[in-house]
Formats: sequence, C-alpha cells, structure tokens
Amino acid sequence: GDSVTQMEGPVTLSEEAFLTINCTYTATGYPSLFWYVQYPGEGLQLLLKATKADDKGSNKGFEATYRKETTSFHLEKGSVQVSDSAVYFCALRSGSTLGRLYFGRGTQLTVWP
Amino acid sequence: EADIYQTPRYLVIGTGKKITLECSQTMGHDKMYWYQQDPGMELHLIHYSYGVNSTEKGDLSSESTVSRIRTEHFPLTLESARPSHTSQYLCATSTGRDTGELFFGEGSRLTVL
Repeated sequence: GDSVTQMEGPVTLSEEAFLTINCTYTATGYPSLFWYVQYPGEGLQLLLKATKADDKGSNKGFEATYRKETTSFHLEKGSVQVSDSAVYFCALRSGSTLGRLYFGRGTQLTVWP
Repeated sequence: EADIYQTPRYLVIGTGKKITLECSQTMGHDKMYWYQQDPGMELHLIHYSYGVNSTEKGDLSSESTVSRIRTEHFPLTLESARPSHTSQYLCATSTGRDTGELFFGEGSRLTVL
C-alpha cells in the first residue's frame, strides 16, 4: 500500500546551519507529495508541495524536489532560524487513496541560537 | 484568524465519561477529517466525510463515532472514554477540487484518567 518513510528525529541544529530531512515513499501510480509543518501548540499547515516528477516545491526558504527515480522528496533549507523549530511531516496523496493523505511519522526540529 | 475551530482545546476527564469534540469550519469545504496524533507525533486517519450525511471510518480503528448533519460541523464522540483514548485529535478540511491540501484546526488534547 501507499506509505511514507521519514527520517527519524529529533534533529538539533544551530542557527544558520543547513537542514536536510529525508523522505521516501511507496505508492502506486503518480502521487502528489507534500511537506507539512506543525509549530508548537498549533495544527499542521502546508509548507510546500509537488505534483509531478522533477517538480520543486518551495516556501519560506525551504525546498523539496520530487525524485521519481529514487522515490524521494527530501526537505532542505540552506540556513535555518530559531523560528523554524517545529515538527515536519512528509505526506503523499495518490489516486488510489481517493484524495486522502498518508503522513510520515514526523521529524522534530530544534534550532538553537 | 482561524477558519477551523476545535473545542475544547484541552480536556481532562475520568474513565467512563461521554465526550464530544467539536469541529467547525467557515471555509465551506465539503471534505472533513479527524486525525489522531499519538505522543510519538504520528498521525492516523480515524474518520472522514465527503459531505453532509457522509461518514467513513479511516485507517486506524477507533471506538469514536462522528456525524455530519451540517457542512460546517463534524463532531467526534466517545461514548465511554478510557485512558487508551488519551491523545491529540486534529480536525481538517479540504476543498472539493481534490488538490490534496488539508487545512487543520489547532487540535483538541484529551487526557483520560
């Protein structure tokens, strides 16, 4: 079935460090891929998405490229800030799931000043 | 200003009590979802609805029930709460355009003693 495997955390970085959070997926057909972010005490919100192979989603300095050959959608940011501290979820949606999203386990990121 | 309202935000109750978690939205979205988020942060879909009078069980078996009498409301009910129900419950909506983007409320954190 459809699933997402996400890098386990927690991840702790100093401000201005480079961030990578790995995400790989298993799905039938051609899924859409998403990164969601959950700030402390809040619900999830969409960070970025890509709907087809080789698409790059970007937002707030974060980027992720849809790689069909490696079935991956890794999240990257060149210089993290304290305000980026949150939980990050990779997710997929495929045609076989009737529009529902499948989420990874989440990765806790803490950025220290 | 939130467009998806969840109440209560926090609830501590004793075993055997009946509880209802409320979810209301002002976005006019047809699709609504309930996710259960465990302490390890993983999200599990427990119920969803594609419109009024439509409800389906999700991927994780749950003793809770839902109803969808009005587009705006999607309450979740536990007839007899148990400590195993202690969790964070997240309500979400999506548009009928099936973009895959979900809009989340801030969550209801339930503790059953």
